[in-house]
Amino acid sequence: GDSVTQTEGLVTLTKGLPVMLNCTYQTTYSPFLFWYVQHLNEAPKLLLKSSTDNKRTEHQGFYATLHKSSSSFHLQKSSVQLSDSALYFCALNYGGSGNKLIFGTGTLLSVKP
Amino acid sequence: EAAVTQSPRNKVAVTGGKVTLSCNQTNNHNNMYWYRQDTGHGLRLIHYSYGAGSTEKGDIPDGYKASRPSQENFSLILELATPSQTSVYFCASGDVGTGPYEQYFGPGTRLTVL
Repeated sequence: GDSVTQTEGLVTLTKGLPVMLNCTYQTTYSPFLFWYVQHLNEAPKLLLKSSTDNKRTEHQGFYATLHKSSSSFHLQKSSVQLSDSALYFCALNYGGSGNKLIFGTGTLLSVKP
Repeated sequence: EAAVTQSPRNKVAVTGGKVTLSCNQTNNHNNMYWYRQDTGHGLRLIHYSYGAGSTEKGDIPDGYKASRPSQENFSLILELATPSQTSVYFCASGDVGTGPYEQYFGPGTRLTVL
């Protein structure tokens, strides 16, 4: 069935280093992918959403590219900050699902000084 | 920005008791959703609605009911609460017009069932 996989449960990095959080998906329909960010004790908020195949989208220093050939939408940032410490969810909307989203299990990013 | 509110923010209930979680949105979105969040599971869809008077089962509906009496309000009802329903519950709203398919989340309700 349709699914989203985030392989890392926890990523710990030192401030200033680059990061990539993995997201792969499975669907036979046309996909829309999203990254949501959730800071401690807050609601999930949209970070960025996919565009067309192989086109990069960016927001707040984060970027991701939808690659349909590899069913991936990895989240990247060139230099993480302490304030980036949060839980990151990848989510899939696919044609035929109405407006429902399927969420991955989330990756906790912890940035150390 | 989209505004979704939830009440109560924290709730302690007893096993077998009835619990009602409320959600209100002022964005005139047609669609509303209830999720629960548990470590290791991410966000899982319980019920959703396409508009007033409609409710649909999500991926984990067992033990939950939903009610959408108006465009603005969407409730989640636990008729007989169990400890396994201890979780953080999020309400969200969204519409194709805000899309593609973006959802806006409320602040969450932390429910503890003893």
